[in-house]
Amino acid sequence: NAGVTQTPKFQVLKTGQSMTLQCAQDMNHEYMSWYRQDPGMGLRLIHYSVGAGITDQGEVPNGYNVSRSTTEDFPLRLLSAAPSQTSVYFCASSPLGVHSNQPQHFGDGTRLSIL
Amino acid sequence: DAKTTQPNSMESNEEEPVHLPCNHSTISGTDYIHWYRQLPSQGPEYVIHGLTSNVNNRMASLAIAEDRKSSTLILHRATLRDAAVYYCILRPSRGAGSYQLTFGKGTKLSVIP
Repeated sequence: NAGVTQTPKFQVLKTGQSMTLQCAQDMNHEYMSWYRQDPGMGLRLIHYSVGAGITDQGEVPNGYNVSRSTTEDFPLRLLSAAPSQTSVYFCASSPLGVHSNQPQHFGDGTRLSIL
Repeated sequence: DAKTTQPNSMESNEEEPVHLPCNHSTISGTDYIHWYRQLPSQGPEYVIHGLTSNVNNRMASLAIAEDRKSSTLILHRATLRDAAVYYCILRPSRGAGSYQLTFGKGTKLSVIP
């Protein structure tokens, strides 16, 4: 089972460049989300989606865009990268329903450095 | 939002039980207690969750205090693969906050061979 797949695993950008972090899941989960994790810290929620065509902001949304055109994919876009966005990015998914009982499944992360 | 307090780090000998504590004195009656762990260079992994009663699964046990102001994650026999950061997280059962996991810094568990 593939689960949650994130690409790329590593990326180095220059300030001002744009890029898209990819996230795909094969479990038919309605809920998907993006987190960032800075060194020595816990994860912080960037954006989330409860289904195709529906997205909402999390705790730290500034500088990031998302869209959800299919159930399987939830890309995260950095329009103009800044050094403060250097971090490890994790994508997660889960079924909805009684959502507080549903474990979230995480990908292995994308390590992003912005020079 | 209700917060959790965990020790920064703990050590355990291999093959011994480990008790990881979590305080959540401001927990509301409808908050679930979730535990995740994060192995080095990996994404978080679900371990267990509960509301009021103690819970067991193949990975661990969760003991919840009667007043729900604290809980303990129990690993019955620590292995080297259990070395990770363990996060205790409260999830509201309803509302916008129920969608997200709010991670603190967790407890870094070291397992000594």
